Amino acid sequence: GDSVTQMEGPVTLSEEAFLTINCTYTATGYPSLFWYVQYPGEGLQLLLKATKADDKGSNKGFEATYRKETTSFHLEKGSVQVSDSAVYFCALSEMGNTGNQFYFGTGTSLTVIP
Amino acid sequence: GAVVSQHPSWVICKSGTSVKIECRSLDFQATTMFWYRQFPKQSLMLMATSNEGSKATYEQGVEKDKFLINHASLTLSTLTVTSAHPEDSSFYICSAPDLSALQETQYFGPGTRLLVL
Repeated sequence: GDSVTQMEGPVTLSEEAFLTINCTYTATGYPSLFWYVQYPGEGLQLLLKATKADDKGSNKGFEATYRKETTSFHLEKGSVQVSDSAVYFCALSEMGNTGNQFYFGTGTSLTVIP
Repeated sequence: GAVVSQHPSWVICKSGTSVKIECRSLDFQATTMFWYRQFPKQSLMLMATSNEGSKATYEQGVEKDKFLINHASLTLSTLTVTSAHPEDSSFYICSAPDLSALQETQYFGPGTRLLVL
């Protein structure tokens, strides 16, 4: 079945460091891929998405490229800020027997220190 | 590991009826739970934050009288879609954070698909 595997945390970085959070997926068809972010005490927010192979999603300095050949959708940011401290979830959405279904990774906690 | 369940997984109802969806944390307590809905071919949208012992916090544009949330206990939150109409047909997902772990972990329910005829 479909699944998402993402890098375990927690991840702690200094401000302005480079960030990579790995995400790989297993899917039977052609899923859409997402990164969600959850700030402390809040619900999920969509960070970026890509709907087909080689698409690059980007938002707030974060980027991720849909790589079908490696079944990956790694999240990157060139220079993190303290305000980026949050939990990041990789997810895929695919049409299943009962309609569109979401599959989430377990989340990666990021802490950015000044 | 921790599990969040939802019931029912599928529901079909007639227009005008009300539907209750349950979200349970099975082996941890959750003072907060989150409710999301997903429209076809779109991503999840946060609807509201359910708080045990107090009123839910609704996101902008979500009708609180339409989507009633009750967080009755530390392991149960319910979402009631009142006077459902076909446009309410959607996929509803809840999630709950397990704060007892060293690192807070968010667990998602499997979702409930609602079809209003």
